[in-house]
Amino acid sequence: DTEVTQTPKHLVMGMTNKKSLKCEQHMGHRAMYWYKQKAKKPPELMFVYSYEKLSINESVPSRFSPECPNSSLLNLHLHALQPEDSALYLCASSQATGKDTQYFGPGTRLTVL
Amino acid sequence: AQSVTQLGSHVSVSEGALVLLRCNYSSSVPPYLFWYVQYPNQGLQLLLKYTSAATLVKGINGFEAEFKKSETSFHLTKPSAHMRDAAEYFCAVTRPTGRRALTFGSGTRLQVQP
Repeated sequence: DTEVTQTPKHLVMGMTNKKSLKCEQHMGHRAMYWYKQKAKKPPELMFVYSYEKLSINESVPSRFSPECPNSSLLNLHLHALQPEDSALYLCASSQATGKDTQYFGPGTRLTVL
Repeated sequence: AQSVTQLGSHVSVSEGALVLLRCNYSSSVPPYLFWYVQYPNQGLQLLLKYTSAATLVKGINGFEAEFKKSETSFHLTKPSAHMRDAAEYFCAVTRPTGRRALTFGSGTRLQVQP
C-alpha cells in the first residue's frame, strides 16, 4: 500500500476561522512533508518532519502551524489566513529524506474568502 | 543550492509520436533527480528517479530518462505517446547529503493530440 490520504478534499474558510488539514500514511515512513501548490505552478516546500521532529521550515508564516502527533499523522493548523493562501496543499511521505521516493496525497483544495 | 530548469512550459505531440520533455539541473554535488507526473486535481506520482546508479533509468508507463553529467541534463522520453499521458510533468532535484528536500522545476504541460 503506497497511499497517503488527506482530509478534507476541499475546504472553504474565512480569514478569521481556525481549521486543520490532516494527512495520514501507514507505510512506516519516517519523513513527512507539507507542500503548497498554486495554480499552474510547481509545489513549494513548506515543512519537513523527520522522525516526528520538524527538520525544515521554509520560513512559512506563523498562521500555518504544523504538527506531527505520531509517525503516521501530520496536521497543518490554519489560523487567520489570507486570500492569497488559497491553494492546493499537498502532503507527502518517504522512508527518509533524500533519495527515497516521496509519495504524495491527493491534496486539499483550500479557498480563503 | 540545487535547481532544475524545464525547457518548454507546454509541449504538444500527436498520439503515437515521440515524447521529449527537457530538464537541466544545477547542483554543486552529484544530485538525485526525479520526474513526477500530476493529472488534473490530483497529487504527484513518481515516474522515475536517478540516484547515481545506472544513467539510463526506466520508469512506469513506458517513460525513461537518461542522466548526462556532461550536459547537466535529465530529459524524459517515451517512444509513443498515448492520450492518457496528457498531464503536467515536473522534474525535481535533491541533494544526497545535507538539506535533502525536493526542489521542483516549473513544470511542462504535455498535450497529446489525436
